[in-house]
Amino acid sequence: EAGVVQSPRYKIIEKKQPVAFWCNPISGHNTLYWYLQNLGQGPELLIRYENEEAVDDSQLPKDRFSAERLKGVDSTLKIQPAELGDSAVYLCASSLGPPDTQYFGPGTRLTVL
Amino acid sequence: AQKVTQAQTEISVVEKEDVTLDCVYETRDTTYYLFWYKQPPSGELVFLIRRNSFDEQNEISGRYSWNFQKSTSSFNFTITASQVVDSAVYFCALLGSGSRLTFGEGTQLTVNP
Repeated sequence: EAGVVQSPRYKIIEKKQPVAFWCNPISGHNTLYWYLQNLGQGPELLIRYENEEAVDDSQLPKDRFSAERLKGVDSTLKIQPAELGDSAVYLCASSLGPPDTQYFGPGTRLTVL
Repeated sequence: AQKVTQAQTEISVVEKEDVTLDCVYETRDTTYYLFWYKQPPSGELVFLIRRNSFDEQNEISGRYSWNFQKSTSSFNFTITASQVVDSAVYFCALLGSGSRLTFGEGTQLTVNP
């Protein structure tokens, strides 16, 4: 069974540029999560989707971050404009729904210059 | 509020040594779930184990074992006869009633040949 797929794996951009990350969850997983992981820290939840609905986005900085999950499968996380402090790893995870185990993708490492 | 503490930031051992990674958690929930994940240099978070708060039975899986003690709010992870391939960052995480997975800061384990 295929795991969570993310692309790109690495992205280098200049500050103030837009950037987007894509995630394809494990087949049949209705719940999708985006996490932010800063260097030397554990992941922190940005947003959780149940199918198409964002049910927990309290940690998403909505002034520059946006996310969508059209058709309840793939998801895209966008940052516009990017700032230096956004350099981090963005992880996507999926599950059958809380409290089921979350399975993570390989992440996208973003560097903002 | 939930909190997970991994007091050991870095551990270095020589191959074949046993090593224990500590995890202490805080929650007011009576039903909760505890997890361990492994993050190798490639960056992907790999699920290792999940326990629920009503099951304090210790578990062994090959060279890995877990000791869950509600009385001390601890969920420690032991690797027996460590190998170089065990080198990674290990995260303990807690899922409570809020459906948000809270991670510790991680323990960097280095196994030297």
